[in-house]
Amino acid sequence: GQQLNQSPQSMFIQEGEDVSMNCTSSSIFNTWLWYKQDPGEGPVLLIALYKAGELTSNGRLTAQFGITRKDSFLNISASIPSDVGIYFCAGRLGTNAGKSTFGDGTTLTVKP
Amino acid sequence: GAVVSQHPSRVICKSGTSVKIECRSLDFQATTMFWYRQFPKKSLMLMATSNEGSKATYEQGVEKDKFLINHASLTLSTLTVTSAHPEDSSFYICSGTETSGSYEQYFGPGTRLTVT
Repeated sequence: GQQLNQSPQSMFIQEGEDVSMNCTSSSIFNTWLWYKQDPGEGPVLLIALYKAGELTSNGRLTAQFGITRKDSFLNISASIPSDVGIYFCAGRLGTNAGKSTFGDGTTLTVKP
Repeated sequence: GAVVSQHPSRVICKSGTSVKIECRSLDFQATTMFWYRQFPKKSLMLMATSNEGSKATYEQGVEKDKFLINHASLTLSTLTVTSAHPEDSSFYICSGTETSGSYEQYFGPGTRLTVT
């Protein structure tokens, strides 16, 4: 099946710093999604990308759909303590939401 | 909008007993709901796809007789873990997709199952 490599696996940063994480795939996707999961909670959709090259922002978050359709990145600017959590990327080829392939997650720790 | 709830949030049961987990879409109609399992510090693993009024479709390696799924209405799907064993202990998360508009899935808050 399709494989997603998400990096880094974990990050420890100082409050106020910018963060960047990315996902790469061995095959193309038509949709890239970024989720955040807080401890003991379900994932929450942050940004959805549907077009190669698309750059989308959601507050301090910015994500891009790579032009090759095999990668995506998520940037968080001016991190704050509540940004702590696990960030998952997910890629999908068709429209069936359940056929999304999830990355292994990036655990973000923000030191005040 | 697009809120999904799960009940219970935590459950502890003895080996051999069955446990039912409910997943409800609170403000939208979900023709399709998905059930995932998540191990500590791991990603989400899709177990099955549940369509309202029809049988669930299970992913390879998931025992349909052990993980019974019912999707009786557009707002409710249930997962029953039958004859639970300690290895079934996990975090179970459901999600739903709307019948119109965005086809993205909205996740519930998860249910922590511990089998003793």
